[in-house]
Amino acid sequence: GEDVEQSLFLSVREGDSSVINCTYTDSSSTYLYWYKQEPGAGLQLLTYIFSNMDMKQDQRLTVLLNKKDKHLSLRIADTQTGDSAIYFCAVSTSGTYKYIFGTGTRLKVLA
Amino acid sequence: DTGVSQDPRHKITKRGQNVTFRCDPISEHNRLYWYRQTLGQGPEFLTYFQNEAQLEKSRLLSDRFSAERPKGSFSTLEIQRTEQGDSAMYLCASSDKAEAFFGQGTRLTVV
Repeated sequence: GEDVEQSLFLSVREGDSSVINCTYTDSSSTYLYWYKQEPGAGLQLLTYIFSNMDMKQDQRLTVLLNKKDKHLSLRIADTQTGDSAIYFCAVSTSGTYKYIFGTGTRLKVLA
Repeated sequence: DTGVSQDPRHKITKRGQNVTFRCDPISEHNRLYWYRQTLGQGPEFLTYFQNEAQLEKSRLLSDRFSAERPKGSFSTLEIQRTEQGDSAMYLCASSDKAEAFFGQGTRLTVV
């Protein structure tokens, strides 16, 4: 079945850029998502990219997709302490609509 | 639009008891999902509805679990004869297109 992997932790200094990486196995993945989860809360959709795109930018967020390597990344520019959270990568395939999530990357922003 | 609403937010139950959770999706969203999230893990897919039809169920959804979505609006997830291993956050999400929006979740603790 589909597998989505992420590194567990990332620590950056306030004002630096953060890059969170994700790899997936199913080449037929159609939509690829980034969600943010703060302690005790649900998941907040940050952005998503369709599989025929290479890049998507939304304010401080940049998503890069390398379909050949099945690699997705999320870059957060000018990282702030409020960005500290767990970031989940998720993929879905057209026709099934279910999302497969990675284990999440815990981002810690140091002041 | 008030977003996806889940009730209750927290539930503590004794092993062997039945519990029921409710999810109110964003109005007019025809797709509704249930996920389960345990500590340190990403959400795991449980089941998916399109309108009132339950189209897919994970093998994680044992016979003790049942979900309904009468009239294609709100949904309920019932767990019968709860076990300690059922302790988790149960997340509901809804979508009408590519973006799924999650509720705050119901945290279940089985003692």
